[in-house]
Amino acid sequence: GAVVSQHPSWVICKSGTSVKIECRSLDFQATTMFWYRQFPKQSLMLMATSNEGSKATYEQGVEKDKFLINHASLTLSTLTVTSAHPEDSSFYICSARTSGRAGYEQYFGPGTRLTVT
Amino acid sequence: QKEVEQDPGPLSVPEGAIVSLNCTYSNSAFQYFMWYRQYSRKGPELLMYTYSSGNKEDGRFTAQVDKSSKYISLFIRDSQPSDSATYLCALNTNAGKSTFGDGTTLTVKP
Repeated sequence: GAVVSQHPSWVICKSGTSVKIECRSLDFQATTMFWYRQFPKQSLMLMATSNEGSKATYEQGVEKDKFLINHASLTLSTLTVTSAHPEDSSFYICSARTSGRAGYEQYFGPGTRLTVT
Repeated sequence: QKEVEQDPGPLSVPEGAIVSLNCTYSNSAFQYFMWYRQYSRKGPELLMYTYSSGNKEDGRFTAQVDKSSKYISLFIRDSQPSDSATYLCALNTNAGKSTFGDGTTLTVKP
């Protein structure tokens, strides 16, 4: 149980285009989803937290107009990187948590590798 | 100063060795202490969690927390090549967000 999927697993796009990444909880209802970015040989950096049906809360320094997050249902959250640039190339990972669970009970997706050329 | 500092590594050990991975933290509000394993190009996988000082054992893995010293460790006994991965400590105040260490990359050589 507690499986989180991401799609696509990798994507290459041209500078200036937008890319959408989907995060799905397959066998549980994700009341909260987290989006992280991870650069090579670095740790996970939390970008934003989203609760189903609410606007996402962004971490300091993360541009909310550039990284659009939609948590439309209890099983799906999307991250759209708008007008992507090469510096946005990174590994994007989502995690999901269900209500009533302690803070440690978050389950990670397999990640999406974005390369912007 | 970072809230969580993790021994940077990398670590390279022979198969069968005991491995010690360590993190220190500064925020006394952290209540939950987790260790994740991350294979290359994959998402993190929760290995162990604990919320009190002391030791917690699960197979070859032992998580140790010392709240008075703000120090946590993960020990791996009888290490195997399949243990080769990056290990991340993560701490949580139960407010929803986890704070991660930078990770330690472990290589276990056959």
